[in-house]
Amino acid sequence: GEDVEQSLFLSVREGDSSVINCTYTDSSSTYLYWYKQEPGAGLQLLTYIFSNMDMKQDQRLTVLLNKKDKHLSLRIADTQTGDSAIYFCAESSGNTPLVFGKGTRLSVIA
Amino acid sequence: GAVVSQHPSRVICKSGTSVKIECRSLDFQATTMFWYRQFPKQSLMLMATSNEGSKATYEQGVEKDKFLINHASLTLSTLTVTSAHPEDSSFYICSATPLFSDSYNEQFFGPGTRLTVL
Repeated sequence: GEDVEQSLFLSVREGDSSVINCTYTDSSSTYLYWYKQEPGAGLQLLTYIFSNMDMKQDQRLTVLLNKKDKHLSLRIADTQTGDSAIYFCAESSGNTPLVFGKGTRLSVIA
Repeated sequence: GAVVSQHPSRVICKSGTSVKIECRSLDFQATTMFWYRQFPKQSLMLMATSNEGSKATYEQGVEKDKFLINHASLTLSTLTVTSAHPEDSSFYICSATPLFSDSYNEQFFGPGTRLTVL
């Protein structure tokens, strides 16, 4: 089946940039998502990108997509302690269920 | 807008009992609701997709007689874990897709229900 891979942990200092990486295997992926999950809570959609885009920026968030390498990244500028959470990458071909990665736990050190 | 609630947020039950979890879309009508299961440090695994007024579609390996899903209205879906066992202990998360939205591309997630079976 299709697979989405992420590194499990990332630790950054407050004020630095965080870069969370994700790779996927489904070449027909049309939509790629980043979700944030805070402790004991559901998922919050942060942003998504269509596969025909290379980059999307939304305030402190920048998503980069390398479709050739099937690599997606999420950059959080000026990382704050409130950004500490688990970040899930997910992909869909548009008419298939979302496939999630295992999540990257971001720890922000004050 | 687009808030999804789940009730209860936490439940502890004895082995062999049944537990019902509710998922409600509070400020929108949802054609489709999804149920996920999340183990510690693991990803979300889709269990089933439910459409209002029709039978749920279960993913491979999910026992439909054990995980009963009812989607009785456009704002409510329930998941009943029947004859629960300790291995059913998990975090159950639902999501809902608003009417007239592309089913999989616009999902709003509930806060999750932590089930512990003793």
